[in-house]
Amino acid sequence: DQQVKQNSPSLSVQEGRISILNCDYTNSMFDYFLWYKKYPAEGPTFLISISSIKDKNEDGRFTVFLNKSAKHLSLHIVPSQPGDSAVYFCAASDLIQGAQKLVFGQGTRLTINP
Amino acid sequence: DAGVIQSPRHEVTEMGQEVTLRCKPISGHDYLFWYRQTMMRGLELLIYFNNNVPIDDSGMPEDRFSAKMPNASFSTLKIQPSEPRDSAVYFCASSFMREDTWGTDTQYFGPGTRLTVL
Repeated sequence: DQQVKQNSPSLSVQEGRISILNCDYTNSMFDYFLWYKKYPAEGPTFLISISSIKDKNEDGRFTVFLNKSAKHLSLHIVPSQPGDSAVYFCAASDLIQGAQKLVFGQGTRLTINP
Repeated sequence: DAGVIQSPRHEVTEMGQEVTLRCKPISGHDYLFWYRQTMMRGLELLIYFNNNVPIDDSGMPEDRFSAKMPNASFSTLKIQPSEPRDSAVYFCASSFMREDTWGTDTQYFGPGTRLTVL
C-alpha cells in the first residue's frame, strides 16, 4: 500500500521552461513533506520541505506547493537547467507517529533538454 | 565532514550466501536509517535507530534481514541467506533532532550499496 505516490515515472522538459513534479499522499496524518533529489550513483540529497501549516515554500528556483484538501503536493522548478536532470523523490512524515520516519514515493526521473 | 560512508559500494553474491552491508553515520548524528531502493517500490525505510537503539523495524521484509548498531559510529545490515529478490540499492542515512525543525531534520544519505544476488 503506497501511502506516497508519484504517478509520473519520468518527465522531460526543455531548458528554461518550468518543470512541475507531482506527488499524492493518502495518509491524512502526514504533516511534513520533503523533496529529495538523486543523481546516479549518489544518495538522495535534501532539496526543500514544507509543513502542513503552510501551502507554499520557496527557495530560489524551487517552490513546493501543498494542497491538503486534495492530499497533493507539487514541486516547481523555474527556470529548469540541465543540472536539474535527476530523480526526484517526494517524502512525507507524521510528527506524532515519528518525526524521523519518512515515507517516500517511487520517484520521478526529470530530464532537462538543452 | 566526510558525510555518511557506506561499504561496499557494490556487492555481487550468490543465492544463499550471507551479505553484510556497513555504514558510518555523520559524527554527532543520533538517528540512523537503512533504506532499500527498487524500481517497483522506490525508496523504502527498513529500520531506524535512535542513540544506537532500534526504534522501528516494521519495514524489515523478513527474518532474513537483521540490523545492528553497536556504537554511535557504526551500523550493519545483514541478509542471511540472500535471495535474488533482495537485489537492490541499499542506502544508509543519518540525521539529528533539532527543536526548530518541527522535531525532524534533513536526513543525509550515503552513496548506497548496490547488491546483486545471483
